[in-house]
Amino acid sequence: QKEVEQNSGPLSVPEGAIASLNCTYSDRGSQSFFWYRQYSGKSPELIMFIYSNGDKEDGRFTAQLNKASQYVSLLIRDSQPSDSATYLCAGEGGATNKLIFGTGTLLAVQP
Amino acid sequence: DAGITQSPRHKVTETGTPVTLRCHQTENHRYMYWYRQDPGHGLRLIHYSYGVKDTDKGEVSDGYSVSRSKTEDFLLTLESATSSQTSVYFCAISETDGGTAGELFFGEGSRLTVL
Repeated sequence: QKEVEQNSGPLSVPEGAIASLNCTYSDRGSQSFFWYRQYSGKSPELIMFIYSNGDKEDGRFTAQLNKASQYVSLLIRDSQPSDSATYLCAGEGGATNKLIFGTGTLLAVQP
Repeated sequence: DAGITQSPRHKVTETGTPVTLRCHQTENHRYMYWYRQDPGHGLRLIHYSYGVKDTDKGEVSDGYSVSRSKTEDFLLTLESATSSQTSVYFCAISETDGGTAGELFFGEGSRLTVL
């Protein structure tokens, strides 16, 4: 079973701090990784994707990929209460070429 | 905005009854997906379609069937609903036709309760 693992949290950070969300994956063939944000009762929305080793920055968000360690992370700088949501990590490619989601990490940004 | 609408948004039904969920898109995207989301399991792919009459199974397809007779509509059918199919169902489309399957745009979800 190909898996994407996330700590369910909640991860609590104070407003203005850096939130670090982590994800590991088991399929070494996975090529691309995606971070989705899901507010309570709403549908997931794509915030970033990464397919090369290293960092990718988009505004306050930085995605990091380390294929040797099979590790993906999302950093949110200057966290705001509006960032409070569940963050879903997903990996694509490998044996099935389908998107496999983790169970999500709940982030709570405290004002 | 990919223009996805799901119907019904909420449904309560009884075990053994058939249920059909509809996903409608307005922009002629080729790829459409049905996911279910359950606590502790995250999002799991049920079925997907890569064109009219072209569909394939996902990781949790047992008990579900799909049809796509028009580009804009993707139907998910539970032939005989069971309590284990109580879930939130999301339809999604890929806005990058022919490209990665990971850049998805999701509909608002359909909450199904099977008593």
